[in-house]
Amino acid sequence: KQEVTQIPAALSVPEGENLVLNCSFTDSAIYNLQWFRQDPGKGLTSLLLIQSSQREQTSGRLNASLDKSSGRSTLYIAASQPGDSATYLCAVIGRGGSEKLVFGKGMKLTVNP
Amino acid sequence: DAGVIQSPRHEVTEMGQEVTLRCKPISGHNSLFWYRQTMMRGLELLIYFNNNVPIDDSGMPEDRFSAKMPNASFSTLKIQPSEPRDSAVYFCASTPNYSNEKLFFGSGTQLSVL
Repeated sequence: KQEVTQIPAALSVPEGENLVLNCSFTDSAIYNLQWFRQDPGKGLTSLLLIQSSQREQTSGRLNASLDKSSGRSTLYIAASQPGDSATYLCAVIGRGGSEKLVFGKGMKLTVNP
Repeated sequence: DAGVIQSPRHEVTEMGQEVTLRCKPISGHNSLFWYRQTMMRGLELLIYFNNNVPIDDSGMPEDRFSAKMPNASFSTLKIQPSEPRDSAVYFCASTPNYSNEKLFFGSGTQLSVL
């Protein structure tokens, strides 16, 4: 059974720092991995999707990498801003592609001005 | 497009009452999902549909929960009878293609069962 873990559960940093958020998964046979952002009282917004054949994806100040063999993904946030404060979740789909999207419990990020 | 639309945003009901949550997916999206989010268990997939057909309902907690998708633009999640432990945020999400594209979430329904 696939399990997705995000450690730490919360992180508080001063504005301007470059951040690395970690995600690990137990079964390396994944189809793709997504990083989401959730603001309080809101739904999830997909930030980046990495297919199993890819190593990384970039969008603006965000860069996500994928290492299937070690069961890890990282989300890199450059020059963090208070507006980046949110909960970040990662999720994976199994290799068959028709399996459930399994979510981690998320990491709550607070960027202090 | 307005995105995935859920209603109501908040629902407060008494134990034993029937609750119906509604979802309108993004036009053109073939797959629709119902999730439940709690502090203890995080996000749990309840059921998902592909082309209006239920594909996997193994996440539905028990027979009190049922979901329908009568057409491509509408889905409901019903709880009957509701119990306090059903209190959670229920999200609907849709995607054009389940495996290959991003998932788009609605804003959720905050359900409180007293």
